[in-house]
Amino acid sequence: AQTVTQSQPEMSVQEAETVTLSCTYDTSESNYYLFWYKQPPSRQMILVIRQEAYKQQNATENRFSVNFQKAAKSFSLKISDSQLGDTAMYFCALLERNDYKLSFGAGTTVTVRA
Amino acid sequence: DSGVTQTPKHLITATGQRVTLRCSPRSGDLSVYWYQQSLDQGLQFLIQYYNGEERAKGNILERFSAQQFPDLHSELNLSSLELGDSALYFCASSVVDGTLHFGNGTRLTVT
Repeated sequence: AQTVTQSQPEMSVQEAETVTLSCTYDTSESNYYLFWYKQPPSRQMILVIRQEAYKQQNATENRFSVNFQKAAKSFSLKISDSQLGDTAMYFCALLERNDYKLSFGAGTTVTVRA
Repeated sequence: DSGVTQTPKHLITATGQRVTLRCSPRSGDLSVYWYQQSLDQGLQFLIQYYNGEERAKGNILERFSAQQFPDLHSELNLSSLELGDSALYFCASSVVDGTLHFGNGTRLTVT
């Protein structure tokens, strides 16, 4: 069974600062994908970034980057130069290639302060 | 815009009733997923279809059922509704790379 744990229910960051969200996961598979999704107050689910487990290089999308530590089963998200529009719930998710179910963590609420 | 279309956006109904939620996946996506998100909760996986066939099942209640049609759109049927079924129901679709693209959800309120 796959599990995803986000240990930080809430985080607050000043505009233009950097914030890092933690995520750990458990899987017995070697072939999987990891994702971060953002859910703003509108409740849409928006893909932020994805990482293939077989790639050692950490994924980056503009101000968003991840620190993927495969051996430690850790997948943290760093938001640089935080903007007010980054205020949202952030979900970490795991997809095992032989399972097809995308499992989500409980989420971390990020509030960016002006 | 993710390309995934869900209708209706909002649904208000009474306990004991039956409703159908509809989802049209992105063009070319063969997989459709259904998720339930209760107030201030995470996303709970319900069921997944691939090219018309059920592929994976989560904690979906027996009162709930789904199907994917030949044109790849999917419907989620919820029956004998209870107050606790009030939630945001998401549909998502994907291609083989595994990235799920979500619709805007259907907000169901059971009164």
